[in-house]
Amino acid sequence: LAKTTQPISMDSYEGQEVNITCSHNNIATNDYITWYQQFPSQGPRFIIQGYKTKVTNEVASLFIPADRKSSTLSLPRVSLSDTAVYYCLVGDASNDYKLSFGAGTTVTVRA
Amino acid sequence: GAVVSQHPSWVICKSGTSVKIECRSLDFQATTMFWYRQFPKQSLMLMATSNEGSKATYEQGVEKDKFLINHASLTLSTLTVTSAHPEDSSFYICSARDGQVSYEQYFGPGTRLTVT
Repeated sequence: LAKTTQPISMDSYEGQEVNITCSHNNIATNDYITWYQQFPSQGPRFIIQGYKTKVTNEVASLFIPADRKSSTLSLPRVSLSDTAVYYCLVGDASNDYKLSFGAGTTVTVRA
Repeated sequence: GAVVSQHPSWVICKSGTSVKIECRSLDFQATTMFWYRQFPKQSLMLMATSNEGSKATYEQGVEKDKFLINHASLTLSTLTVTSAHPEDSSFYICSARDGQVSYEQYFGPGTRLTVT
């Protein structure tokens, strides 16, 4: 499983854009990059997934450079309810798409 | 969207007893289900992978005789913690992969197990 590295924590204020960069130097050709959000005592919630370039949905954007060795999750105009732990994961396409969770990034949004 | 449920949401049991946790995919067929464990302030740790109709594959260090996993149908997987001890107290989370959308996993809400 490709290992991921992301900042332990980030602080932001309401209305700002939050960008979390994750490095995954050993990503394999068939691997996808997925980001999850987790609130305390809840299961992770899918945010966004991509393979290359840029993906955007109603809650976030995911930027993946050509070499795919890193990715950046962009959360536009965060609110207090976006305070959570965000995990960057690389799915192992050759192994049932198993996910290996790293420490995640604790994002704290302040008023 | 795809929904995964877990039952119970929390359980308290006495040391030495067994506890069964159910994981269900409500609106899709889950060819693969995963079980994770999460201790306070820590990340999720993958325990095992189960494919419908076959034996589960356990991660290194996870005792297969203690954590029994059954994936008897495309919508149900169960995790049984046998002879539970206080150190098994944790947050257990399952996820399910929709075979039609091969790479996306949907997570259940988790089950809080407390062993006294």
